[in-house]
Amino acid sequence: KAGVTQTPRYLIKTRGQQVTLSCSPISGHRSVSWYQQTPGQGLQFLFEYFSETQRNKGNFPGRFSGRQFSNSRSEMNVSTLELGDSALYLCASIARGKAGLETQYFGPGTRLLVL
Amino acid sequence: AQKITQTQPGMFVQEKEAVTLDCTYDTSDPSYGLFWYKQPSSGEMIFLIYQGSYDQQNATEGRYSLNFQKARKSANLVISASQLGDSAMYFCAMSKLTSSNTGKLIFGQGTTLQVKP
Repeated sequence: KAGVTQTPRYLIKTRGQQVTLSCSPISGHRSVSWYQQTPGQGLQFLFEYFSETQRNKGNFPGRFSGRQFSNSRSEMNVSTLELGDSALYLCASIARGKAGLETQYFGPGTRLLVL
Repeated sequence: AQKITQTQPGMFVQEKEAVTLDCTYDTSDPSYGLFWYKQPSSGEMIFLIYQGSYDQQNATEGRYSLNFQKARKSANLVISASQLGDSAMYFCAMSKLTSSNTGKLIFGQGTTLQVKP
């Protein structure tokens, strides 16, 4: 089974621009979560999508948005980029197990640098 | 609120020896899951092992075992017979088992493990 794919792997943008990151989950998984990882704040949850619906959202400004398509692929968008948005953005494909326990399998991440 | 604490920023272990990475958690939820992930320098988060709060036995997965002590709210990761490829950052994480908390993992700050030859 193919793993989680994220594109692009690396990205350099300038302040004020907008960026779109893509994530394809493991085949058969219908739920995707996004995380931001920075040296200062660590790993923080952005949002989660299931069957094209956002079910959960972290504490990020409205500049961060996402969506999910009918084939479960997901995109996240960051508008009006700020220097502090430089981070590793990780997407996770979610498998639901026994007693409601969800196991998340991560992709390789997209490294975004904002200049 | 949920919180994960990893008190060891960095650790060294000799190749072929066992090592324990500490993780304590705080939650008022009756049901939750605890997870460990490995992150090599490449950045990808690799799932290692999980434990449900309802599980009576400690989880094991190959050379990884999770020492779950519910009363102490600890979920330490034990790696047996360390290998050079085990050098990486290790994260402990937690999730609630409720419909209102879908897809959200709370992570600790991580522990950097270096395996010496």
